[in-house]
Amino acid sequence: KQEVTQIPAALSVPEGENLVLNCSFTDSAIYNLQWFRQDPGKGLTSLLLIQSSQREQTSGRLNASLDKSSGRSTLYIAASQPGDSATYLCAPEQNFVFGPGTRLSVLP
Amino acid sequence: DAGVTQSPTHLIKTRGQQVTLRCSPKSGHDTVSWYQQALGQGPQFIFQYYEEEERQRGNFPDRFSGHQFPNYSSELNVNALLLGDSALYLCASSPGVGTTEAFFGQGTRLTVV
Repeated sequence: KQEVTQIPAALSVPEGENLVLNCSFTDSAIYNLQWFRQDPGKGLTSLLLIQSSQREQTSGRLNASLDKSSGRSTLYIAASQPGDSATYLCAPEQNFVFGPGTRLSVLP
Repeated sequence: DAGVTQSPTHLIKTRGQQVTLRCSPKSGHDTVSWYQQALGQGPQFIFQYYEEEERQRGNFPDRFSGHQFPNYSSELNVNALLLGDSALYLCASSPGVGTTEAFFGQGTRLTVV
């Protein structure tokens, strides 16, 4: 059974800092991993999808890496902005199992 | 492209009642998945529909049932509502079953009183 953990659970930083959010999963036999953001009370917005054949994906200030063998993914946010404040969720393999999320607050 | 749309956005029901939630997938998507998200937690997978059939199911009781129509839209039905069913219900669509990106709707907030 796939289990997903995310560290840290919450993070509060001043604007401009570079951030690293971590996702760990127990079953490494996955095809892909997707990162989402969720604003309070809203649905999920897809940020990045990493296929198992890839090690990294980049979109603007976001970069996500995937290491299947160690069961880890990392989301890197460069030059954080107040608009990045949200909960960030990772989901390996067809999004059936989600991590609990990292709640990010970027202070102006 | 309208994306994934869900209706209604909010709903209040009484314990023991039944509820139906609706989802229209993103254009070109034929696979719909449903999730339940309690406050402060990550989404929990309920089930997935493809070609009008339930393909996979999470650890939810039979009170939770669904349907997919020929136009790929989907319904989630919950019978005999419990207070613990209060949650945000999310629908996701993708272009087929497999290693594809999923897109989510804005969700339906269900409150059971």
